[in-house]
Amino acid sequence: EAGVTQFPSHSVIEKGQTVTLRCDPISGHDNLYWYRRVMGKEIKFLLHFVKESKQDESGMPNNRFLAERTGGTYSTLKVQPAELEDSGVYFCASSHQPNTEAFFGQGTRLTVV
Amino acid sequence: GESVGLHLPTLSVQEGDNSIINCAYSNSASDYFIWYKQESGKGPQFIIDIRSNMDKRQGQRVTVLLNKTVKHLSLQIAATQPGDSAVYFCAESRGEGGSYIPTFGRGTSLIVHP
Repeated sequence: EAGVTQFPSHSVIEKGQTVTLRCDPISGHDNLYWYRRVMGKEIKFLLHFVKESKQDESGMPNNRFLAERTGGTYSTLKVQPAELEDSGVYFCASSHQPNTEAFFGQGTRLTVV
Repeated sequence: GESVGLHLPTLSVQEGDNSIINCAYSNSASDYFIWYKQESGKGPQFIIDIRSNMDKRQGQRVTVLLNKTVKHLSLQIAATQPGDSAVYFCAESRGEGGSYIPTFGRGTSLIVHP
């Protein structure tokens, strides 16, 4: 069974540009989470989808971040326009049921210069 | 606010020793706890979990202990190997009445010396 996959693995963009990160969860997992780790600090929650619905987006830092999960399958996280402080590693995770093991992707390392 | 944290940011051990990584949590309503291992360039990998109705759970070479009285979680790794070197995160979540969202602490870096 394929795990959670994220694309791209690395992205380097200039301040002010737009970047879109993609996450393909494990097939059949309704719950999809986005997290990010900045400067080697803790892994911070961004938002949670249940199927195509945003269940909780309390961790989204500001309106430059937009997440979608059309059709309840893969998800995208767009940053527009990117700022220097958006640099970090963005992780996606999925789980079959809430409050159970969440499986993580390998992450996308975003560098804004 | 309530948070999950770790006592030690770095733990160095010799190969073959047992390792103990500790985690303190402050949300007494949390009922599900997970330990993740993150190697360089990879995403967090599930190691072991425990629910609040248990105080101990064992896996292969790993044991998780939960002390709800003092809100403390630990991960014990037996016969630590160089391949165990990684950053270890504890995460907690709350089910019924909660957000169900895993909340992570900062992480502990485990360094295993051959």
